[in-house]
Amino acid sequence: KAGVTQTPRYLIKTRGQQVTLSCSPISGHRSVSWYQQTPGQGLQFLFEYFSETQRNKGNFPGRFSGRQFSNSRSEMNVSTLELGDSALYLCASSPSLRQVGETQYFGPGTRLLVL
Amino acid sequence: GQSLEQPSEVTAVEGAIVQINCTYQTSGFYGLSWYQQHDGGAPTFLSYNALDGLEETGRFSSFLSRSDSYGYLLLQELQMKDSASYFCAVTNNAGNMLTFGGGTRLMVKP
Repeated sequence: KAGVTQTPRYLIKTRGQQVTLSCSPISGHRSVSWYQQTPGQGLQFLFEYFSETQRNKGNFPGRFSGRQFSNSRSEMNVSTLELGDSALYLCASSPSLRQVGETQYFGPGTRLLVL
Repeated sequence: GQSLEQPSEVTAVEGAIVQINCTYQTSGFYGLSWYQQHDGGAPTFLSYNALDGLEETGRFSSFLSRSDSYGYLLLQELQMKDSASYFCAVTNNAGNMLTFGGGTRLMVKP
């Protein structure tokens, strides 16, 4: 099976712009989670989607949003970018019938730099 | 809320055994996971414990004590390629959210 794919892999934006990141989970996986990783804050949970529904959301401002499509592909959007949004954004997928902690497969991430 | 504590750095020599501890405080707990991340790479799932006890997968083992809110990852017969960051993570009791520890950077020396 193909792994989790994320596009784009690298992105440079300026403050105030918005960005959309895409994630395609492993075939058959219906749960998709998003994380932000920075040197200072570590790996932080953004949100988790299952069957097009957001089941949980981390402690991030409303500028961070996401959605999931019927084919389980997911997108996340960050509006009004700030310098502090520079990070590696990771997407992970899990089989539908298992808790996310049991087996979660990460994509390679999108590295976002905000100037 | 949830918080996890793990050492920031550990150094060991090739062939040795190393244990990385993780203590957690959570408002809801379903299980404890461990992930490995090499520099520039994505986290890779290593193990998961929902019940007390030891889970063994090859050279890696993971232990959980729910009563002590404590777990550890044991790496045996260390190899240079094991040099990486290791993260413990707690699944909330709804099973749909992972909270990660700050990570332990393991350096394996010849």
